[in-house]
Amino acid sequence: DSGVTQTPKHLITATGQRVTLRCSPRSGDLSVYWYQQSLDQGLQFLIHYYNGEERAKGNILERFSAQQFPDLHSELNLSSLELGDSALYFCASSGPWQGRDVYNSPLHFGNGTRLTVT
Amino acid sequence: GENVEQHPSTLSVQEGDSAVIKCTYSDSASNYFPWYKQELGKGPQLIIDIRSNVGEKKDQRIAVTLNKTAKHFSLHITETQPEDSAVYFCAASRIYNQGGKLIFGQGTELSVKP
Repeated sequence: DSGVTQTPKHLITATGQRVTLRCSPRSGDLSVYWYQQSLDQGLQFLIHYYNGEERAKGNILERFSAQQFPDLHSELNLSSLELGDSALYFCASSGPWQGRDVYNSPLHFGNGTRLTVT
Repeated sequence: GENVEQHPSTLSVQEGDSAVIKCTYSDSASNYFPWYKQELGKGPQLIIDIRSNVGEKKDQRIAVTLNKTAKHFSLHITETQPEDSAVYFCAASRIYNQGGKLIFGQGTELSVKP
């Protein structure tokens, strides 16, 4: 068990709908990363938050947004869903940065949310 | 852009044999290279990682080697067991003071036959 909790485990919804995926990082971790895993695209980085602030964006669609709350849990919001959004969505967390150019602690992944858009 | 190529996509070995998975990265500034194991229905699990100032790292039956000049790194699993069967992902990242996103390879499905 990585200590990263993602809910729900499965989500089935229709095209055009909006869903929210939730992630609770490991205790003490300040970073939350979101990844999308699909058969044809592999594991794609979406977005990174550190202690409530957005730090980096990857291949995240404008229809998608995320936030990290003061208690450090994070939510990924997916709207105007399309069939192609069906995928596994993973959250990962890592520990506090320990200073400039110092090794960043490893990413630990949750077990993901499987989203099916019909 | 940043890219990580991983080979082979599938690998089948007999129990007790060794398995080698290779990755090549494009971003010369990458300095952190983790390997993840993903079992069915679970998230990727970190099994070993290496930093760019180290050429090799070993943890029991698992080892990783890094060739910075050639920009490639490899995972070696010795004395494979059926429970090693899973999908393995390599990744590359820049570690700097604001953290770094992982760029993943496409994965290798390892099958260890008893």
